Amino acid sequence: AQTVTQSQPEMSVQEAETVTLSCTYDTSESDYYLFWYKQPPSRQMILVIRQEAYKQQNATENRFSVNFQKAAKSFSLKISDSQLGDAAMYFCAYRSDNTDKLIFGTGTRLQVFP
Amino acid sequence: DAGITQSPRHKVTETGTPVTLRCHQTENHRYMYWYRQDPGHGLRLIHYSYGVKDTDKGEVSDGYSVSRSKTEDFLLTLESATSSQTSVYFCAMGERNTEAFFGQGTRLTVV
Repeated sequence: AQTVTQSQPEMSVQEAETVTLSCTYDTSESDYYLFWYKQPPSRQMILVIRQEAYKQQNATENRFSVNFQKAAKSFSLKISDSQLGDAAMYFCAYRSDNTDKLIFGTGTRLQVFP
Repeated sequence: DAGITQSPRHKVTETGTPVTLRCHQTENHRYMYWYRQDPGHGLRLIHYSYGVKDTDKGEVSDGYSVSRSKTEDFLLTLESATSSQTSVYFCAMGERNTEAFFGQGTRLTVV
């Protein structure tokens, strides 16, 4: 069975600085999808970025980028020029290309200080 | 998210009573998921569906059942609610090889 691990329950960053959130996963599959979701206090789940495992190039979305290391089964999220609105819970997720089962890590709470 | 709604949004129920949560989507997405969110545990998959009448268990399925008789509706039933099932429940939908889109969540309290 696949698992997703987020080893940082909480992180903090100064406004305008850069922060990296860690995620590792375990799978025996070769094809899958990885995601980072953001959950602000409103509880809404918002997609931040996605990565297809067959793509070697790291995904980027404006200030958000990932470092995808397939061999190491690592998928970290880098947030550049952090803003107060980035404060939220961040979840790493894995979607099987075989079963389409979607599983999540335990989350990292990010605080942004002015 | 647009196109997916959960009902009710809040519910308080007594231990031992059956409870059904409803997830309704208007996007004709094939896949639907039920999760529970608890502090320190993130989102844990309860059940998911890959088509009408096609469902499979997730990591925390004990005490829960689901049904999907129509593409647009995915029901989660707690046959006999317990205090350990107090949680926030999220429904999600998606298509093959895409991200999932989430409902607003349902806060369930079992007293």
